Amino acid sequence: DTAVSQTPKYLVTQMGNDKSIKCEQNLGHDTMYWYKQDSKKFLKIMFSYNNKELIINETVPNRFSPKSPDKAHLNLHINSLELGDSAVYFCASSRSGAGELFFGEGSRLTVL
Amino acid sequence: AQSVTQLDSQVPVFEEAPVELRCNYSSSVSVYLFWYVQYPNQGLQLLLKYLSGSTLVKGINGFEAEFNKSQTSFHLRKPSVHISDTAEYFCAVSNFFGNEKLTFGTGTRLTIIP
Repeated sequence: DTAVSQTPKYLVTQMGNDKSIKCEQNLGHDTMYWYKQDSKKFLKIMFSYNNKELIINETVPNRFSPKSPDKAHLNLHINSLELGDSAVYFCASSRSGAGELFFGEGSRLTVL
Repeated sequence: AQSVTQLDSQVPVFEEAPVELRCNYSSSVSVYLFWYVQYPNQGLQLLLKYLSGSTLVKGINGFEAEFNKSQTSFHLRKPSVHISDTAEYFCAVSNFFGNEKLTFGTGTRLTIIP
């Protein structure tokens, strides 16, 4: 039973399209995150939600819109996709104060 | 602001040899330090963490790391590596405990040579 699951695992799309990635965690954690890993493996936080409330919003284009319908889900919608959006997007979750993030397996987005 | 430097982007090591992966950080306040491992086509998995207390931290798979405040380092070590240790290793720092905003280093690819 996967702890943090993301769908889809692979996504290939054309520039200008809109796409979504979904994330669910069954660990009972109260905080969820989106990280972006670029082609050089560099990981950077994009967003964080605690109990459905946005608490971290890094300098991310507003074409990216996260949505947390409940504590166990955090989705990422991307409008007007650009070539530079190609990356692996990781969802993660944590229990506040525990000092450990649990990551999903990633969603590899390729924009053509 | 905090930052993490992993000076070695790639480290090749013979099987059963010891290894050290270097990590240096900068932060103006107290830090919490982590090492994560990423196996091919997988997400990141926590190897070990330093929050407080003993500066020598032991993690999974025989890895350990030592927090050195004066040298602002948190190097990862293993006395004898195996083929299965081939992976990407990320050092990370947080000074926002309870709001786990981790800043990651650029990673070190550990390749084990049979």
